[in-house]
Amino acid sequence: KAGVTQTPRYLIKTRGQQVTLSCSPISGHRSVSWYQQTPGQGLQFLFEYFSETQRNKGNFPGRFSGRQFSNSRSEMNVSTLELGDSALYLCASSLILAGLNNEQFFGPGTRLTVL
Amino acid sequence: QQQVKQSPQSLIVQKGGISIINCAYENTAFDYFPWYQQFPGKGPALLIAIRPDVSEKKEGRFTISFNKSAKQFSLHIMDSQPGDSATYFCAASRDSGYALNFGKGTSLLVTP
Repeated sequence: KAGVTQTPRYLIKTRGQQVTLSCSPISGHRSVSWYQQTPGQGLQFLFEYFSETQRNKGNFPGRFSGRQFSNSRSEMNVSTLELGDSALYLCASSLILAGLNNEQFFGPGTRLTVL
Repeated sequence: QQQVKQSPQSLIVQKGGISIINCAYENTAFDYFPWYQQFPGKGPALLIAIRPDVSEKKEGRFTISFNKSAKQFSLHIMDSQPGDSATYFCAASRDSGYALNFGKGTSLLVTP
């Protein structure tokens, strides 16, 4: 079974631009979560989508948004990029079945550099 | 604020030794405590996870010890190998599949 895929793997943008990152979950997984990883702050939860609805949101400004499509694929968007947005953005998918330990499987991430 | 505190930040262990990483949490609503392993250029991968109704869980060379009253849990890697050299993250969430609150990570180096 294919793992979580993220595109693109690397991205360079300049301040003020916007960016869209894409995530394809493991087949059959209905939940997609996004995390930001930086050396200073570590891994921080951005938001989670389940059945096309945002179910949870972390403590990030409104410049960070996302959506999920009917095939469970997800995109996240960052508008008006700032230097501090440079990070590895990780997507994780989960099956979400009641009574199970619903492991989150992570993709390899998209490395975003803001100049 | 950091909801899960992890220590040490880095750890050097000789091959065959025991690696111990500790984590503490405050939120008593947390009900799921996984450990993730991350190699450079890769996303984190689940190693082992525990629920608060058990005090210890072992999978191969990896053991989680859980102390509910102290709100602490730890990862023990027995017979550490150079291939275990990676960054380890503890995490906590209110249930599996929900938002993970990660510790800051421990960079483990196992020397030959």
